[in-house]
Amino acid sequence: ELKVEQNPLFLSMQEGKNYTIYCNYSTTSDRLYWYRQDPGKSLESLFVLLSNGAVKQEGRLMASLDTKARLSTLHITAAVHDLSATYFCAVDHGGSQGNLIFGKGTKLSVKP
Amino acid sequence: NAGVTQTPKFQVLKTGQSMTLQCAQDMNHEYMSWYRQDPGMGLRLIHYSVGAGITDQGEVPNGYNVSRSTTEDFPLRLLSAAPSQTSVYFCASSYSRARYSGYEKLFFGSGTQLSVL
Repeated sequence: ELKVEQNPLFLSMQEGKNYTIYCNYSTTSDRLYWYRQDPGKSLESLFVLLSNGAVKQEGRLMASLDTKARLSTLHITAAVHDLSATYFCAVDHGGSQGNLIFGKGTKLSVKP
Repeated sequence: NAGVTQTPKFQVLKTGQSMTLQCAQDMNHEYMSWYRQDPGMGLRLIHYSVGAGITDQGEVPNGYNVSRSTTEDFPLRLLSAAPSQTSVYFCASSYSRARYSGYEKLFFGSGTQLSVL
């Protein structure tokens, strides 16, 4: 059974600081997704990582995937208040359908 | 394109009532799915469909039915609502879930907040 663990689950940061959110998963998968959710809103796709060593960057966020370690990271550089949200990683369950299994989410709060 | 449209946005039911949550997409997506989101639990897959006439169970299917008579629509039916089904429900779709197709990204609807008393 595929399990996806994110840590930390809660993160309070100061503006301008750097931090990393970790996503570990329990069985082999080569597809991983990061989503952002603002309070009361839907999920917005941030990154799609489709191979070992994949690295994607957009603005102050950078995501990477290490399939051998079964680990993805979401690195935040010089955080700003607008990045406050809940971040989810989701891992491909495998098989022909490729359903996603989500982590519990990391609630990020960036304070001035 | 409207994307993925869910209705209603909010619903309150009494225990034992039935209802249907609607989901429609106008992107000609093959794959559609329903998730529920509970506090501290992330999203859990209820049912999914890879095309019209094809549906299958996800992680937490009990108490829910789905059908896919058209490519566009994927309604979720609660047969006899229970308080444990109080949750936020998201419908999501993608053009394809086939590996390396380049179309795997899921698009989510805005959600339905359901309370069962």
